[in-house]
Amino acid sequence: AQSVTQLDSHVSVSEGTPVLLRCNYSSSYSPSLFWYVQHPNKGLQLLLKYTSAATLVKGINGFEAEFKKSETSFHLTKPSAHMSDAAEYFCVVSGNQAGTALIFGKGTTLSVSS
Amino acid sequence: DAGVIQSPRHEVTEMGQEVTLRCKPISGHNSLFWYRQTMMRGLELLIYFNNNVPIDDSGMPEDRFSAKMPNASFSTLKIQPSEPRDSAVYFCASSLGTSSLSTDTQYFGPGTRLTVL
Repeated sequence: AQSVTQLDSHVSVSEGTPVLLRCNYSSSYSPSLFWYVQHPNKGLQLLLKYTSAATLVKGINGFEAEFKKSETSFHLTKPSAHMSDAAEYFCVVSGNQAGTALIFGKGTTLSVSS
Repeated sequence: DAGVIQSPRHEVTEMGQEVTLRCKPISGHNSLFWYRQTMMRGLELLIYFNNNVPIDDSGMPEDRFSAKMPNASFSTLKIQPSEPRDSAVYFCASSLGTSSLSTDTQYFGPGTRLTVL
């Protein structure tokens, strides 16, 4: 069965410092993996996705994630945090090979202080 | 494009009442998804349509919940009768619905915040 675990429920950083949001997954086949962001009272927006192409995936707003099969990880990073990055981030794995379901992690709340 | 449109944005109702949530997917998208988000359970897929046909409704919690997609540009999620434990944010999402949905990007609406008193 597919599953995804976000290792931190809350991450706090200072503006201008690096961001690391951790995600581990479990999959019985080659998964598709996604990161979505949700700003307060807003819908979810796709940051980036991995679909078995390049293992280093670049997304919007300077975020990137690296797929590491040996570690079953898909951590999200950004070199320098901005105040506008404060939001909730969801790591997502495709639920089956047909991709008819997305399985969401519990989310990581990112706080950015000035 | 206006994106996925959901209405209402907020709904407050009393236990036992019927609630209808509405969704207009992005034009040209063939797949539509209904999700529910709660603090306890996070984001859960309720039901998924492809070409207006329900494909997977295994996430629908019980018979009080029903969803329809009468045409490619409109879907409803109905709860009858509603209960306080149905209070949540309900999201609609749509995607192109290509042959490999695992690579499809799902575009989410802003959600409907439902409160059942």
